[in-house]
Amino acid sequence: GIQVEQSPPDLILQEGANSTLRCNFSDSVNNLQWFHQNPWGQLINLFYIPSGTKQNGRLSATTVATERYSLLYISSSQTTDSGVYFCAVLRYSSASKIIFGSGTRLSIRP
Amino acid sequence: GAVVSQHPSRVICKSGTSVKIECRSLDFQATTMFWYRQFPKQSLMLMATSNEGSKATYEQGVEKDKFLINHASLTLSTLTVTSAHPEDSSFYICSARDSRTGKVPEQFFGPGTRLTVL
Repeated sequence: GIQVEQSPPDLILQEGANSTLRCNFSDSVNNLQWFHQNPWGQLINLFYIPSGTKQNGRLSATTVATERYSLLYISSSQTTDSGVYFCAVLRYSSASKIIFGSGTRLSIRP
Repeated sequence: GAVVSQHPSRVICKSGTSVKIECRSLDFQATTMFWYRQFPKQSLMLMATSNEGSKATYEQGVEKDKFLINHASLTLSTLTVTSAHPEDSSFYICSARDSRTGKVPEQFFGPGTRLTVL
């Protein structure tokens, strides 16, 4: 099946810093989503981005489907950005289930 | 974005009892619902997928008699952990999407249920 790899696995930054999280996938996909799991466990939808670039405030994402990767950019980090960031991909098939990467654990220090 | 609720958020039960967890889509039709289990500091593990009105499809290694899933309506799915044991203690998360043709297949997640079996 399709493999999803995220890097780096862990990232510690000072408040105000910028960061780039990467998601590589091993096969073509029909859908890609980025999520933030907060310390209470809730997964928050950040982007639905099968291709192209989107921006939402301090966050932006780019997916280059032909090269099988996606990037999540966080600018001017805040302590509330801490948590785990997951990317998940969907490939249309009889199963049609999204496959999660292993996540990037981000810690923002005040 | 769409909202998925989950109840209860936390439950503690004795070994041998059954626990039911509800998952509701509040503002969209959830033609497909998913149940995940997450262990500490790990990614989400898919347990089963259900389409409204159909039997759930379980992932390999997931006991269908232990984890009963019902998806009787377009807004409600339930997961019942039967005869729970301490090893069933975990964080359970439901998810939903509208899989109909023409709909954006974005998936939304509930806030999770932390189950502790004593």
